[in-house]
Amino acid sequence: DSGVTQTPKHLITATGQRVTLRCSPRSGDLSVYWYQQSLDQGLQFLIHYYNGEERAKGNILERFSAQQFPDLHSELNLSSLELGDSALYFCASSGGGRDTGELFFGEGSRLTVL
Amino acid sequence: QKEVEQDPGPLSVPEGAIVSLNCTYSNSAFQYFMWYRQYSRKGPELLMYTYSSGNKEDGRFTAQVDKSSKYISLFIRDSQPSDSATYLCANVDNYGQNFVFGPGTRLSVLP
Repeated sequence: DSGVTQTPKHLITATGQRVTLRCSPRSGDLSVYWYQQSLDQGLQFLIHYYNGEERAKGNILERFSAQQFPDLHSELNLSSLELGDSALYFCASSGGGRDTGELFFGEGSRLTVL
Repeated sequence: QKEVEQDPGPLSVPEGAIVSLNCTYSNSAFQYFMWYRQYSRKGPELLMYTYSSGNKEDGRFTAQVDKSSKYISLFIRDSQPSDSATYLCANVDNYGQNFVFGPGTRLSVLP
């Protein structure tokens, strides 16, 4: 168990809908990262938050947004969903420079858009 | 050139073989090096973590880093079918925040 919790584990929705994925980082970790992994593809970095502030953006679509709350949990919002958004969405946390930068992943949220 | 590159495989080996997985990187700012193991449709699991050039051993796994040539290897001794997974090489800079992942190498260990 990595200590990173993601909900929901599975989500099925229709095109055009909006969903919210939730992540609770490991206790004490200040950084939260979001990644997208489509079938048989590598990890695509979406966005990084550190202690509530956005630190870096990757290939995140404008239809997607995220935030990190004062209690350090994070949410990834996906709107106007398209078939191509079907993927595994991983959250990962780290100490954010406090330690040596190890990154720990949750088990992911599997999104299926029909 | 991608920042972190790996041969995607698939790599198939018989049970008991020594496996060598390789990774190259281009950014000299990377200071920490990690190997993750990802089983199908599961979250990546941190397998090995190292900072300096040289070898680090953990059970059947040995990570080797050569910063001068920007080359990273993971060796698996006495490979088992349970080692069948995708292995991701990952690097991070000295601030511990800019993580870059390779595409992963898919390994199959055949019984």
